Amino acid sequence: DAGVTQSPTHLIKTRGQQVTLRCSPISGHKSVSWYQQVLGQGPQFIFQYYEKEERGRGNFPDRFSARQFPNYSSELNVNALLLGDSALYLCASSPTGGTLQYEQYFGPGTRLTVT
Amino acid sequence: GDSVTQMEGPVTLSEEAFLTINCTYTATGYPSLFWYVQYPGEGLQLLLKATKADDKGSNKGFEATYRKETTSFHLEKGSVQVSDSAVYFCALIRGNSGGYQKVTFGTGTKLQVIP
Repeated sequence: DAGVTQSPTHLIKTRGQQVTLRCSPISGHKSVSWYQQVLGQGPQFIFQYYEKEERGRGNFPDRFSARQFPNYSSELNVNALLLGDSALYLCASSPTGGTLQYEQYFGPGTRLTVT
Repeated sequence: GDSVTQMEGPVTLSEEAFLTINCTYTATGYPSLFWYVQYPGEGLQLLLKATKADDKGSNKGFEATYRKETTSFHLEKGSVQVSDSAVYFCALIRGNSGGYQKVTFGTGTKLQVIP
């Protein structure tokens, strides 16, 4: 089975622009989470979606938004980009049920550079 | 709130040396604990996990035991290889039946193994 996939791999944007990042979860996974990883730091939780509804939100401004589609894929949108938004954006998916409910599988990430 | 504290790196070891990376946590309830590994330019890979107190997670020669009395989940390996060079992240996950998973990562510990 394919793992979590993300697109694009790399992206360069200018301050003030908007960006959309995409994620496809592992087949059968219904939960998708988004993380921001600034260079040299651990991932910071942005959003979690489960069954197409937002279930959790981290401490990020309203410029960050996301949605989950009926096929459980997800998009992360960031408006009015700032230099500080430059980071690796990671998507993770989770299976449902039992102890595996808490296991997250990560994609390779999208490297966003804001100039 | 929840927090994860890891020993600061980088940790530099000779091949076949013994590895310990310390991880302690603060959380309410009964979280699951994880170690993830990130190789250069890649996303996070699940290394091992433990879902309740006294559980021992193990994989690829790495081990970690969930110690509730000391709120710790230290990562160990008896004999490291050059290929183990990576950044290691300790994480805790709390969740509920409603599908919400609150994930908190440590800042990561870089391991460099020299031949």
